[in-house]
Amino acid sequence: LAKTTQPISMDSYEGQEVNITCSHNNIATNDYITWYQQFPSQGPRFIIQGYKTKVTNEVASLFIPADRKSSTLSLPRVSLSDTAVYYCLVGDSGAAGNKLTFGGGTRVLVKP
Amino acid sequence: DVKVTQSSRYLVKRTGEKVFLECVQDMDHENMFWYRQDPGLGLRLIYFSYDVKMKEKGDIPEGYSVSREKKERFSLILESASTNQTSMYLCASSHLDRENTGELFFGEGSRLTVL
Repeated sequence: LAKTTQPISMDSYEGQEVNITCSHNNIATNDYITWYQQFPSQGPRFIIQGYKTKVTNEVASLFIPADRKSSTLSLPRVSLSDTAVYYCLVGDSGAAGNKLTFGGGTRVLVKP
Repeated sequence: DVKVTQSSRYLVKRTGEKVFLECVQDMDHENMFWYRQDPGLGLRLIYFSYDVKMKEKGDIPEGYSVSREKKERFSLILESASTNQTSMYLCASSHLDRENTGELFFGEGSRLTVL
C-alpha cells in the first residue's frame, strides 16, 4: 500500500507559481497519482491525475519523474481563491478491493 | 452532473446512541468509501465497498460498521457513539472501469458531534 508524504503547509502570494511535492516511495505498477483540492466545509474535488511524465490541464500541471517515487503538483499564477488543502493520493481507484489512503494534505495559503 | 449526497450535513448525538450516516450516489459507481477527517490528521479511511453486500476494512474501522444493500447506497453505522467519534465524515464513490482510472467523487460531508 503506497504511503504518501507531503509538506504540512506552504504560503505564497497572488500571481506566483506554487509547487507541492508528494513522496510515494512504494508506489505500485498499477497505481495512479491523483491530486485533490479541498475548501473548508466541502468534500475534496479532483484536480489532476497522472501515471508518468507530465500532465497538464486548465488548472494545474503534474510532473512525475521516471522512477515515479514522487510527484509535483504545480499551480500557475495562484489567486486568493486557491487557498485550500491539497491532497496527494496514490492508488488504483479503478480496481476492486483497493484501499485508497490519503496523506495528511498540504495547506496552501495565498496572500494578497 | 455527478452527485454524491450525504443525508445530514450536521448531527448532534449523545454518547451511546446508534448513529446512521447515509450516502447515495447517482453515477452507478461500484466503489464507495467512508472517510473521517479531523484537524491535523487528514482523511482517514474507515470502510469501503466495491460491490453490493461487499465491505472491506479501512485503516480505522474500530467502532464502525457499514451496510451496502443497494449499489447506490452506502451507510456508515456507529453502534454506540462515543465522544472520540466527533468528526467530519466524508463519503466518496468511484467507477471500477480501468480505463476511467477511477476519479473519486466526494459528498459535502456530515459533521457529527457526540456529546
